[in-house]
Amino acid sequence: DIQMTQSPSTLSASVGDRVTITCRASQSISSWLAWYQQKPGKAPKLLIYKASILESGVPSRFSGSGSGTKFTLTINSLQPDDFATYYCQQYNTYLYSFGQGTKLEIK
Amino acid sequence: QVQLQESGPGLVKPSQTLSLTCNVSGGSVSSGTYYWNWIRQPAGKGLEWIGRIYTNGNSNYNPSLKSRVTISVDTSKNQFSLKLSSVTAADTAVYYCARERITMIADAFDIWGQGTMVTVSS
Repeated sequence: DIQMTQSPSTLSASVGDRVTITCRASQSISSWLAWYQQKPGKAPKLLIYKASILESGVPSRFSGSGSGTKFTLTINSLQPDDFATYYCQQYNTYLYSFGQGTKLEIK
Repeated sequence: QVQLQESGPGLVKPSQTLSLTCNVSGGSVSSGTYYWNWIRQPAGKGLEWIGRIYTNGNSNYNPSLKSRVTISVDTSKNQFSLKLSSVTAADTAVYYCARERITMIADAFDIWGQGTMVTVSS
């Protein structure tokens, strides 16, 4: 099984900040990585797929990078709506696995 | 615009079978360009993939749940279903259905249902 590890688990930031969340895979997954945003009581929302491709309708302040085993999600100029929990997910094979999540809190 | 909606009992007794259905609107489960998935999330915890099905009935399951899971598709009703047998309290979670685009062997989940809470308790 491929294990996904996110850091940090919690991140405190202010509106207007730039933040980065890291996701590491236990083995190489090429670029087969997605990022999701989840708000309390809601389903996850796809933000980025194939490590760096922005899903249609997602603001351009979100960006993703990486390949192999290390990936990052960057949010530029944080907006109030961005405070949520973020998950990475690998799909190198159909035995999907998710990171444990990073909660982005208002400082 | 494709929408997914989960339905089923919110309370299941231990050792019984959990049964949920995902209704697809605005699109078709018969589309050959998607897989249809089930994913769950215990309260306050992360996401766990359960399994997926293709329109022809071919399915894949999480090895950790495979012995207890059956996913089926009903093209006449435009829906797909999840059955999880011999449930315990550890199966208490929000259950989501989700669509997966077929591009390679696997892909991201681009559309999700709103989720349905299932509690296992006597």
